[in-house]
Amino acid sequence: DQQVKQNSPSLSVQEGRISILNCDYTNSMFDYFLWYKKYPAEGPTFLISISSIKDKNEDGRFTVFLNKSAKHLSLHIVPSQPGDSAVYFCAASVPTGTASKLTFGTGTRLQVTL
Amino acid sequence: DAGVIQSPRHEVTEMGQEVTLRCKPISGHDYLFWYRQTMMRGLELLIYFNNNVPIDDSGMPEDRFSAKMPNASFSTLKIQPSEPRDSAVYFCASSYRVDYGYTFGSGTRLTVV
Repeated sequence: DQQVKQNSPSLSVQEGRISILNCDYTNSMFDYFLWYKKYPAEGPTFLISISSIKDKNEDGRFTVFLNKSAKHLSLHIVPSQPGDSAVYFCAASVPTGTASKLTFGTGTRLQVTL
Repeated sequence: DAGVIQSPRHEVTEMGQEVTLRCKPISGHDYLFWYRQTMMRGLELLIYFNNNVPIDDSGMPEDRFSAKMPNASFSTLKIQPSEPRDSAVYFCASSYRVDYGYTFGSGTRLTVV
């Protein structure tokens, strides 16, 4: 059972435009969400995170939005750059202390075109 | 710190052979995770260790898979016998927390023919 879902396997966006990557989750116990970025032949690297007590977190060109009622989060990249072309994974965890771990989605491949 | 180090980077083996993947975590990280990346399931957790002790191996697909962590600086993931459906990229990650701060290695691309 996939508790974290990324329904779009790929996305193509022109350079300078906004990229929006979506993620849905089913476990209402998740309280911390992260986005990881993965380049070919490399491991995923942490990009940005958000706690369930917030609905928005911004870091430069990257903003993550959380809609708890819809169990949905999204990553906005503005403006998109060719170097943003990568696979993006969203991940979620339940509260610390429950011996849990990160649950990852299936990933979305972003292609930023010139 | 050199980060999480995995070896080999690529492995091609014949069906039925034993395969061993290796991982050196970041010094001081108490948690070590083994993930498998596939198109269908994304990053799938196989097993994780805390202080060298296996905590959750519910993601290990079947008895052909085994993992060990004999000390804080080394872990192995073994597949015996290997099958073509095991072909995937296997990642090792380490962290100081179970739910945050994961650092991934570069992965091992396994091809079973």
